[in-house]
Amino acid sequence: KAGVTQTPRYLIKTRGQQVTLSCSPISGHRSVSWYQQTPGQGLQFLFEYFSETQRNKGNFPGRFSGRQFSNSRSEMNVSTLELGDSALYLCASGQQGPNTEAFFGQGTRLTVV
Amino acid sequence: GDSVTQMEGPVTLSEEACLTINCTYTATGYPSLFWYVQYPGEGLQLLLKATKADDKGSNKGFEATYRKETTSFHLEKGSVQVSDSAVYFCALSDQGNTPLVFGKGTRLSVIA
Repeated sequence: KAGVTQTPRYLIKTRGQQVTLSCSPISGHRSVSWYQQTPGQGLQFLFEYFSETQRNKGNFPGRFSGRQFSNSRSEMNVSTLELGDSALYLCASGQQGPNTEAFFGQGTRLTVV
Repeated sequence: GDSVTQMEGPVTLSEEACLTINCTYTATGYPSLFWYVQYPGEGLQLLLKATKADDKGSNKGFEATYRKETTSFHLEKGSVQVSDSAVYFCALSDQGNTPLVFGKGTRLSVIA
């Protein structure tokens, strides 16, 4: 059974640009969550999608957005990138929502220069 | 709101030493509790979980017991190996469809 796949693995962007990250969940999983991981703040929840609807949202500015498609694949977008957006972005999928076991992808390492 | 507090690292141990990583939580409901592990360059993997009081989760020689009276879920291993070197995260998920809340992580280094 294939795991959670995140693409790309690495990205380098310039301040002010925008970026789109992709996540393909485990087959059959309808919940996809996104987390930002930084050395200073640890793991911070961005948002969660379930059956194409955003069900939970963390405390991030509106520059961070996401969506989920009918096949459960999800994308997150960050507009007007700032240096502080440099982080590892992790996607996790689950069967019934985030209060059950979450399966994580390897992450996308975003560097903003 | 819900929160997880785990011991600050880094923790450095010799091979075959005993490991305990403390984790305590605050939750409004009756949460499920998890330990995740992150190896270098990888995402998080579920190590073990417990869903109700006095449950013991175990995997790969690691154990943790859900202690409701002390709101704790300490991770233990009797004899660590070099391959256990990683960052360990304690997490909870409260009732309903709420996101996982993570502790800040504890880096473990095991030296031969």
